[in-house]
Amino acid sequence: DADVTQTPRNRITKTGKRIMLECSQTKGHDRMYWYRQDPGLGLRLIYYSFDVKDINKGEISDGYSVSRQAQAKFSLSLESAIPNQTALYFCATSDLLSRKAFFGQGTRLTVV
Amino acid sequence: DAKTTQPNSMESNEEEPVHLPCNHSTISGTDYIHWYRQLPSQGPEYVIHGLTSNVNNRMASLAIAEDRKSSTLILHRATLRDAAVYYCILSPNTDKLIFGTGTRLQVFP
Repeated sequence: DADVTQTPRNRITKTGKRIMLECSQTKGHDRMYWYRQDPGLGLRLIYYSFDVKDINKGEISDGYSVSRQAQAKFSLSLESAIPNQTALYFCATSDLLSRKAFFGQGTRLTVV
Repeated sequence: DAKTTQPNSMESNEEEPVHLPCNHSTISGTDYIHWYRQLPSQGPEYVIHGLTSNVNNRMASLAIAEDRKSSTLILHRATLRDAAVYYCILSPNTDKLIFGTGTRLQVFP
């Protein structure tokens, strides 16, 4: 089983719909992240959380919200999806001591 | 945030060594040099990281210049599975990793 699991893996939704992407991890890490990747580009940070009570905006948080339901779960929501949110979304966790980040397999989201 | 400069693409033949360069002239004293790679249709994968000294692990070696303004990721014997985009990232830790466009490595049989 993967250490960082994202669901769904693929999703097509309509403009204006609310959608939630879910992430769960079995690494036992406190730190979790959501990134977005557009074609041909690197990853950009949307939100990050250092523990259950801590949520922080990344460089491109507008139009997104997150929820840290438990240490192992971190969800990303698009309240009203728009076409330019079509992208590949990655969840990650990290271990401060080892300075290693672990990424999920990604969710490919298409907004039509 | 300190920036890194990497070539857009590089090529190698299978079983040959590959040296992937990264320039980071504005690196700060607390920045570690992290390398991740992203295989097609997958999330990024940790490769190696270092601060000042050269580092080796089972995947690769990291050679860091004495002035820390550049570094080189070394794959000792490239395999087809090493074809990926390689990202060089500066950060004191894993928080807010900033991914550039990386170097796309092609490996030929």
